[in-house]
Amino acid sequence: AAGVIQSPRHLIKEKRETATLKCYPIPRHDTVYWYQQGPGQDPQFLISFYEKMQSDKGSIPDRFSAQQFSDYHSELNMSSLELGDSALYFCASSSTGHAATEAFFGQGTRLTVV
Amino acid sequence: KQEVTQIPAALSVPEGENLVLNCSFTDSAIYNLQWFRQDPGKGLTSLLLIQSSQREQTSGRLNASLDKSSGRSTLYIAASQPGDSATYLCAVKASNTGKLIFGQGTTLQVKP
Repeated sequence: AAGVIQSPRHLIKEKRETATLKCYPIPRHDTVYWYQQGPGQDPQFLISFYEKMQSDKGSIPDRFSAQQFSDYHSELNMSSLELGDSALYFCASSSTGHAATEAFFGQGTRLTVV
Repeated sequence: KQEVTQIPAALSVPEGENLVLNCSFTDSAIYNLQWFRQDPGKGLTSLLLIQSSQREQTSGRLNASLDKSSGRSTLYIAASQPGDSATYLCAVKASNTGKLIFGQGTTLQVKP
């Protein structure tokens, strides 16, 4: 069965650079969530989209932006990168946008800022 | 504000033991609760999903229970194996937008 696909799997950027992370949800899933997991930390919710509209917002810095496209894939854009942005970034998807459905996670993108 | 706590933070057991991981949450108004497994530096693998109306779910050697009124869930692992060594995270879905709130995880080591 198709899973959530994230690209790239690994990314190394320098401070003040820009990074774009991509997420391709499971087919027919209309809701996408982004999470950030710092070293030794639990995943923290950043932002979510339902039917291409932002549905919820968490602790996402103003330097970050995201969107969901017509094919339901999502991109997380990160600008003016800081050392503290180094983390695992997970995307998850679910169907119908209903809270009771199961969230399926991608393998994550490991971002290292040097 | 919903908070999720997992106890213990770390656990080391000999192979073959049965064990229980605990998860508690402060607000009982949840939609569901998921248990995940995470190997070091890897992704999140969903183990079990318990809807708010359910009391337990089972998958192989894993059994998860949910007591929503007391804000508690347990993950029971039977006959532990070294391959079970990983970090186990519980997460509650407490918003109608579907976002998950995670606990800090329990890091399990099963010794051969």
